[in-house]
Amino acid sequence: KAGVTQTPRYLIKTRGQQVTLSCSPISGHRSVSWYQQTPGQGLQFLFEYFSETQRNKGNFPGRFSGRQFSNSRSEMNVSTLELGDSALYLCASSLSTSGTGSLVWEQFFGPGTRLTVL
Amino acid sequence: EDKVVQSPLSLVVHEGDTVTLNCSYEVTNFRSLLWYKQEKKAPTFLFMLTSSGIEKKSGRLSSILDKKELFSILNITATQTGDSAVYLCALITGTASKLTFGTGTRLQVTL
Repeated sequence: KAGVTQTPRYLIKTRGQQVTLSCSPISGHRSVSWYQQTPGQGLQFLFEYFSETQRNKGNFPGRFSGRQFSNSRSEMNVSTLELGDSALYLCASSLSTSGTGSLVWEQFFGPGTRLTVL
Repeated sequence: EDKVVQSPLSLVVHEGDTVTLNCSYEVTNFRSLLWYKQEKKAPTFLFMLTSSGIEKKSGRLSSILDKKELFSILNITATQTGDSAVYLCALITGTASKLTFGTGTRLQVTL
């Protein structure tokens, strides 16, 4: 079974631009979560989508947004880029957000998109 | 606000040593604690712990959770250079699938 894929893998943008990152979850997984990883803050939760609906949101400004399509693929958008947005953006998919058992809660991470803002 | 603290922040050991990594937490509505290993990019899942006192084991790695004292440990015995990585502890709380991560422990295993 193919793993979580993210595109692009690397991206260089300048301040003020916007960027769209894409994530394709493991086949059959309906939940997609996005995380930002920086050396100073570690891994921080951005938002989670399930069945095309945003179910959870972290403490990030409105410049960060996302969406999920009917095939569970998800995109994340960052507008008006700032230098501090430079980070590794990781996407994770899981089977579901309900029920019990490790299979339900285990999140599988993609390789990430390394965003550099100049 | 949920808090996850890992210690030590970094660790250098010799191959063959045994290491213990710590994760303490303060969260509301605890559901599960997960351990991940991150070498280059994507964190890879190691263990999920939900109940106190039940050790999870996989090869040379093992982990246990203490829900009374609010911590978990990850043990690695007979370390190898391939164990060098950042080990992340994360919590699932409430009904969310959101993971709250600690800052990680960077482990370096030298020859």
